Amino acid sequence: GAVVSQHPSWVICKSGTSVKIECRSLDFQATTMFWYRQFPKQSLMLMATSNEGSKATYEQGVEKDKFLINHASLTLSTLTVTSAHPEDSSFYICSAIPGPSSHEQYFGPGTRLTVT
Amino acid sequence: DAKTTQPPSMDCAEGRAANLPCNHSTISGNEYVYWYRQIHSQGPQYIIHGLKNNETNEMASLIITEDRKSSTLILPHATLRDTAVYYCIVRDRDDKIIFGKGTRLHILP
Repeated sequence: GAVVSQHPSWVICKSGTSVKIECRSLDFQATTMFWYRQFPKQSLMLMATSNEGSKATYEQGVEKDKFLINHASLTLSTLTVTSAHPEDSSFYICSAIPGPSSHEQYFGPGTRLTVT
Repeated sequence: DAKTTQPPSMDCAEGRAANLPCNHSTISGNEYVYWYRQIHSQGPQYIIHGLKNNETNEMASLIITEDRKSSTLILPHATLRDTAVYYCIVRDRDDKIIFGKGTRLHILP
């Protein structure tokens, strides 16, 4: 199956700093990518939908100025957590679909963010 | 909100078939049933999907009732590596995936 990678796989940062997480589709072009967040023992929560070349669509309750999403190419989307705080510590997962109306959505391995 | 209801947890003996139920009584005609699983600290993995017919692939079988209000995912010979949270998702093919709480499947040696 298709492969989605994330970088870094884990990161520790200090409170108040910003962190960028990359999501890449390795063997297909992804017109749409999604970003999820998962807290311990909870399910994945959709944060935003990212379309190449356009502004991301954020889910209700997700601060767009805090979680900056850029989908600059068909194989790369980035999530920047700005002015991170300990409550932003979470597991961030991206996913990608190869084209409109595709049945399969491929998920990355996730990025563990810890803010100290 | 998730459109499905799943038991929070299930146990299955290694080597036996694991049958995971899912209720989706409000499913509409153009919505598919998808199953994903998430092994601890990894991204979700696609398993199978179906519309109204039963489906089988190398990982599992999906049985959908005739009224489409429920379905069952079958792992024919469960192994310890199948221990994971299994998510049943109902959506139109163009829709984003919204995860419910899933079923935590424990495979017992």
